[in-house]
Amino acid sequence: GEDVEQSLFLSVREGDSSVINCTYTDSSSTYLYWYKQEPGAGLQLLTYIFSNMDMKQDQRLTVLLNKKDKHLSLRIADTQTGDSAIYFCAERDTNAGKSTFGDGTTLTVKP
Amino acid sequence: NAGVMQNPRHLVRRRGQEARLRCSPMKGHSHVYWYRQLPEEGLKFMVYLQKENIIDESGMPKERFSAEFPKEGPSILRIQQVVRGDSAAYFCASQGAHNEQFFGPGTRLTVL
Repeated sequence: GEDVEQSLFLSVREGDSSVINCTYTDSSSTYLYWYKQEPGAGLQLLTYIFSNMDMKQDQRLTVLLNKKDKHLSLRIADTQTGDSAIYFCAERDTNAGKSTFGDGTTLTVKP
Repeated sequence: NAGVMQNPRHLVRRRGQEARLRCSPMKGHSHVYWYRQLPEEGLKFMVYLQKENIIDESGMPKERFSAEFPKEGPSILRIQQVVRGDSAAYFCASQGAHNEQFFGPGTRLTVL
């Protein structure tokens, strides 16, 4: 079945860039998503990218997709303490409907 | 436009009781997904419903769990005879026009 892998932890200093990486196995993935989850809260959709795109930029967020290697990354520029949260990568084949999530990367931003 | 709504936000049940979790999708959305999140894990797909239809229930346990999305009213995830292992956060998502999924705040179920 589909599988999505992420590293579990990332720690950066305030003002630095953060790069969160994700790999997936489903070659029929159509959409790839990044969600943010703060403690005790639901998932907030940050951004998504279609599988026919290589890059998408949205303010401080840059998503890079290497479809050949099935590798997705999220770069957060000028990371702030408010960016501390768990970040989930998810892939979705619209034919299947459901999304498959990684286990999340906990980002800790130190002042 | 209100977001996805779930209630209750927190639910405590004793072993053997029933749990009913409700989800109201965003206005105009007719596709609903239920996911379960165990502590320190990602979300695991349970069931995908359209109005009055179950499209995919491959992630839902065959015993004790059921889901519905009636023509009128919210989607309901029902867990009968709850056990401690059912303790988790249950999230509902509705599908937007560009196939993006918008998540509700979740229901945190605790089984004593």
